[in-house]
Amino acid sequence: DIQMTQSPSSLSASVGDRVTITCRASQGISTDLAWYQQKPGKVPKLLIYAASTLQSGVPSRFSGSGSGTDFTLTFSSLQPEDVATYYCQKYNGVPLFGGGTKVEIK
Amino acid sequence: QVQLVQSGAEVKKPGSSVKVSCMTSGGTFSPYAISWVRQAPGQGLEWMGGIMAIFRTTKYAQKFQGRLTITADESTNTAYMELSSLRSEDTAVYYCARAPTYYSESYFDYWGQGTLVTVSS
Repeated sequence: DIQMTQSPSSLSASVGDRVTITCRASQGISTDLAWYQQKPGKVPKLLIYAASTLQSGVPSRFSGSGSGTDFTLTFSSLQPEDVATYYCQKYNGVPLFGGGTKVEIK
Repeated sequence: QVQLVQSGAEVKKPGSSVKVSCMTSGGTFSPYAISWVRQAPGQGLEWMGGIMAIFRTTKYAQKFQGRLTITADESTNTAYMELSSLRSEDTAVYYCARAPTYYSESYFDYWGQGTLVTVSS
């Protein structure tokens, strides 16, 4: 079975910082990868699909890249409202989420 | 605007079953697939299974095979998730989520508000 590993599991950065989260698949999944944002007590929100396509309405400071086994979610300039847990999800075959990355403001 | 509206919180005894509904409004039910994703307290997201309503076919995660039944009623734009033989580890928030395609094996662009299921004796 394919495993999805996110790193780091948590991070703390300053407002305005460029931040990158990594998601690694144990086998190649082409670009069948999505990213979600889940704020505390809220419903997950789709940010990016097909590894790099921004969902409508999502701020352009979010970007995704990668293919095969290695993927990244980048915040070009971290904002206070970005405090949340971020999940990657592969949908090449059975959907599977990564373990999540909790983002906090320093 | 598409909305997925789920039924309310449930408290169940171990060994019993729970059935959660998810009604789609503001958009067509078919041909999109609906999946169920759960989140235990303080934990991550776990895909349970999905239904392609237009084909009336389901797909389940191996972990839930035999315990999970997902159905859909196109006449009421409602999907259902029934989980049986409940145990304390099934305590979680259960979300329905819509795929932008008819495949269950997809990403999810719309989510229900979540239904807390508590399993306790």
